[in-house]
Amino acid sequence: GNSVTQMEGPVTLSEEAFLTINCTYTATGYPSLFWYVQYPGEGLQLLLKATKADDKGSNKGFEATYRKETTSFHLEKGSVQVSDSAVYFCALRINKFYFGSGTKLNVKP
Amino acid sequence: EAQVTQNPRYLITVTGKKLTVTCSQNMNHEYMSWYRQDPGLGLRQIYYSMNVEVTDKGDVPEGYKVSRKEKRNFPLILESPSPNQTSLYFCASSLYSAGENIQYFGAGTRLSVL
Repeated sequence: GNSVTQMEGPVTLSEEAFLTINCTYTATGYPSLFWYVQYPGEGLQLLLKATKADDKGSNKGFEATYRKETTSFHLEKGSVQVSDSAVYFCALRINKFYFGSGTKLNVKP
Repeated sequence: EAQVTQNPRYLITVTGKKLTVTCSQNMNHEYMSWYRQDPGLGLRQIYYSMNVEVTDKGDVPEGYKVSRKEKRNFPLILESPSPNQTSLYFCASSLYSAGENIQYFGAGTRLSVL
């Protein structure tokens, strides 16, 4: 079947630290991959996406590369800010969306 | 402005009292979906619709109903709410059901069933 597994949180970092949130997937076909972000009290917003193997999605300093060989789509950012504190969801799409359980990121000044 | 609008944002009700959460999108999207978000469980899909009069069960459909009489609206109906339906609900829409198309989310409805 189709599913997404992401690392459990919360993840607590100091400002300017390097961020990695791991995401792996299983899929019966060739999915598109997404990272969504949910800020406190809000709905989910698309952060970045990749539609095929080796594609790199990027936005607001965040990056993720579609790795078919390892079925992974890890989210990275070189220097996090307090304003990046949110819940991050990895997702795949084959006909419908499948979401991971979310990883809460806390960034301290 | 392109948006998905849910109402109400907050709702407290009692067991067994029927309720409807409305969802409307202004982007002419074919695909619409309802999710619930619970701590430690992430987002779980309740129902989805690929177009008018076409609906299908998601992962957790029990206790919920939906309808899609118009393209823009996709209400979620709880005929007899129970406390285990206390959750945060999100409506979402996208242009097509497959491929890379992005899903847009509403701001959420926080429901408490006493």
